[in-house]
Amino acid sequence: QQQVKQSPQSLIVQKGGISIINCAYENTAFDYFPWYQQFPGKGPALLIAIRPDVSEKKEGRFTISFNKSAKQFSLHIMDSQPGDSATYFCAASKAGGTSYGKLTFGQGTILTVHP
Amino acid sequence: DAGITQSPRHKVTETGTPVTLRCHQTENHRYMYWYRQDPGHGLRLIHYSYGVKDTDKGEVSDGYSVSRSKTEDFLLTLESATSSQTSVYFCAISESQSQETQYFGPGTRLLVL
Repeated sequence: QQQVKQSPQSLIVQKGGISIINCAYENTAFDYFPWYQQFPGKGPALLIAIRPDVSEKKEGRFTISFNKSAKQFSLHIMDSQPGDSATYFCAASKAGGTSYGKLTFGQGTILTVHP
Repeated sequence: DAGITQSPRHKVTETGTPVTLRCHQTENHRYMYWYRQDPGHGLRLIHYSYGVKDTDKGEVSDGYSVSRSKTEDFLLTLESATSSQTSVYFCAISESQSQETQYFGPGTRLLVL
């Protein structure tokens, strides 16, 4: 059962363009939504995260937009650069109970930024 | 990789053999996790540990066991490896359970023939 669905599977963007990756979740108990970035041969690394008490969080060129009613959140990469080429994973977790702190990941998006 | 090492980094084994993967951390973090990464599935939690000798199952725990006898080491054992366990395995650590950053190791690529 995939509780977090991510799209698209792959994305090609020109340098300077905007990259947008979307995620949808089913479990309304989720209350922490991080994005991880993974380069080939490396482990994932936290990029940015949001909690549902805000609708947007921005860190440099990276922005998370969060829509609680639609149960969706997205990652926007402004002025995309070739160095942003990586695989991006959205994730979600919920507080409380035995699932506390456990992350459920989306399927991943392979981003390629052409120079 | 935040003071996390995994060994071996690559392994080829045969169906039916036991395999043990090791995760070692130098951060003294309490929580440790084992994930597997497969195309189209993202990362899926196998087992996690919330302290020495304290472990719990994740989403895909069948066929796997874990042990944690010291804070710094978390072992993942495939009791009898199957081809479906061919994957990339990642260890992660976090300082607390309260949705803090999880730091990932470099991964172990396992091929079961």
